[in-house]
Formats: sequence, structure tokens, C-alpha cells
Amino acid sequence: GAVVSQHPSWVICKSGTSVKIECRSLDFQATTMFWYRQFPKQSLMLMATSNEGSKATYEQGVEKDKFLINHASLTLSTLTVTSAHPEDSSFYICSASDQRGNQPQHFGDGTRLSIL
Amino acid sequence: RKEVEQDPGPFNVPEGATVAFNCTYSNSASQSFFWYRQDCRKEPKLLMSVYSSGNEDGRFTAQLNRASQYISLLIRDSKLSDSATYLCVVNNPTGGFKTIFGAGTRLFVKA
Repeated sequence: GAVVSQHPSWVICKSGTSVKIECRSLDFQATTMFWYRQFPKQSLMLMATSNEGSKATYEQGVEKDKFLINHASLTLSTLTVTSAHPEDSSFYICSASDQRGNQPQHFGDGTRLSIL
Repeated sequence: RKEVEQDPGPFNVPEGATVAFNCTYSNSASQSFFWYRQDCRKEPKLLMSVYSSGNEDGRFTAQLNRASQYISLLIRDSKLSDSATYLCVVNNPTGGFKTIFGAGTRLFVKA
């Protein structure tokens, strides 16, 4: 099946640091990638949708200047959490789809971010 | 009303039991449907797609009722390893396609 790789798996860093998370589709071209955040015992929350070569579409309440998304190629999207603070600590998960719509998403392993 | 609603559970069942999860969706134009499984502190993994004719994969059976806007997942002969959160997922044709996740149903299978 489709494979999506996410890196790093764990990040622990000081408040004020910017953290970059990479999401790669390994065996298919991901025209659309999604970034989610999940707090403990809560459901997935979509942060933004990115299509290759265009600007990401952010969900309401998600600060685009805080969470920078780049989808420069069909196999790589990055999420940068700028000047992270303890309240940004969460489980960040990317997913990818190989068509624009109507197909299941395939998820990366997730990144557990802890800001001290 | 939430776009995708699931009974949060938890469902506590003994090994070997049959358990059914239900999910309702609000957008009648929804076009594709999936069940995912998420283990604690892990990413969601696709369990199966759901087709109008119903589909089965081993001990798992998924059904879709478009008239009632209802999806179900049946697990037969539950195993300890089935313990997880099961997510109902719907793709809506809104500005392209938008994927809506249910909040998930927790299942605990006990020995």
C-alpha cells in the first residue's frame, strides 16, 4: 500500500525554537497533503491542506504565520512551527492523497512535539 | 450538528464477541467513506473503504446506507489486538474534496 514517511518522530525543544517537520510520499505522487494536530484523547483536527505548487489552505483558527507549510514537490511537504511555545505541544500528523479528492488518505507516523 | 458522528464508547467486549460501530454523516452529497483504526499514540491506518454494496475483509464487514446517511463496521470474533479507536471518515465534495473525521469509537477487547 501507499507509504508516507514523516520525520522526525519526536522533538523536544525549548520555548521559542522553530521546528520543521517533513512529510514524504515514498511510492506515489501526492498532489494533496494534509496536516493534522491531535491533543491527548481528542480527535484529529485538520490544520491545513496543501496542493503541490500552490499556497496551503488553512482551517479557521489556524495561524498561517505560525504554522508555515511548503509543498514544493509531489513527494514532499513541510510544516514549520515557528517560535513554538508549550501550548503548541501536540501530536502532528501528515497525510497524503495521490489524487485530488475521493481517495483514502495515507498517514505518516506522526511527530510528537514537546516544547519545554 | 457534527458532520460525522460516532458513538465515542468505550465498548468493552470479551474476546470472540461480535461488535458493531455506527456512524452518521450530515452531508447527503458525501461521496466516499472509510473506516480507519488508530492505536494509542499512533497514526490512523486505513482499515477499509466502504462501498454501497457493502464489503467484507476477513472478520470485518462495512456497510453504507445512503438513504439514512449511515455507515457501519462489524467486527466478528474479536481479538485482543482489535483494541483501538475506530474512526469513521467521509469525503465531501466541497471546494475539491474535504475529508471529515469522526471523533472515533474506543474498543477494548478483554481476555
